[in-house]
Amino acid sequence: EPEVTQTPSHQVTQMGQEVILRCVPISNHLYFYWYRQILGQKVEFLVSFYNNEISEKSEIFDDQFSVERPDGSNFTLKIRSTKLEDSAMYFCASSEESYNEQFFGPGTRLTVL
Amino acid sequence: QKEVEQNSGPLSVPEGAIASLNCTYSDRVSQSFFWYRQYSGKSPELIMSIYSNGDKEDGRFTAQLNKASQYVSLLIRDSQPSDSATYLCASVWSSNYQLIWGAGTKLIIKP
Repeated sequence: EPEVTQTPSHQVTQMGQEVILRCVPISNHLYFYWYRQILGQKVEFLVSFYNNEISEKSEIFDDQFSVERPDGSNFTLKIRSTKLEDSAMYFCASSEESYNEQFFGPGTRLTVL
Repeated sequence: QKEVEQNSGPLSVPEGAIASLNCTYSDRVSQSFFWYRQYSGKSPELIMSIYSNGDKEDGRFTAQLNKASQYVSLLIRDSQPSDSATYLCASVWSSNYQLIWGAGTKLIIKP
């Protein structure tokens, strides 16, 4: 069964460093998403991506964040200068259509020291 | 205001009983609703999707949607200890197709 994959599973970084989180969405899906979940809190939407551009972004997704689809399979989230409060689980998801079910990857746990 | 409301729980149900999870949403014209299950430290896993008023059954799970009352529920029959998890309700916001999440209900199935 096709699934969304994410790498790395755990990333530890120093405050101020850049990190890139990687995702491979399900191959026939057209819509891609990043979410984050701070420990013990609800899932928060960051950004949606369609046709090689951002379709929606939340207020969390400020200038420190960027997304890219560098090739036909990968979808990345870059955090330019990490802050302590960026420590969270980051989930990638994909869907066939904008109103369909979204399928989630296993997540990347980001720890900023 | 984009809102999906759920009781945070915990909801404690004896093994073998029916667990009933409820959710309300604020977008009157939303068409797509989902239930996800999330184990601690894991990603959300899709359990059910429902788009039309009424009931939708899949194995031990039944999703119920009432658009007039802006209410969606999930019933789990013959609850098992492995069903213990946080259940997240989500709806697609009609204006921009953003998925709006509830805070989740923690379900505990007691053997």
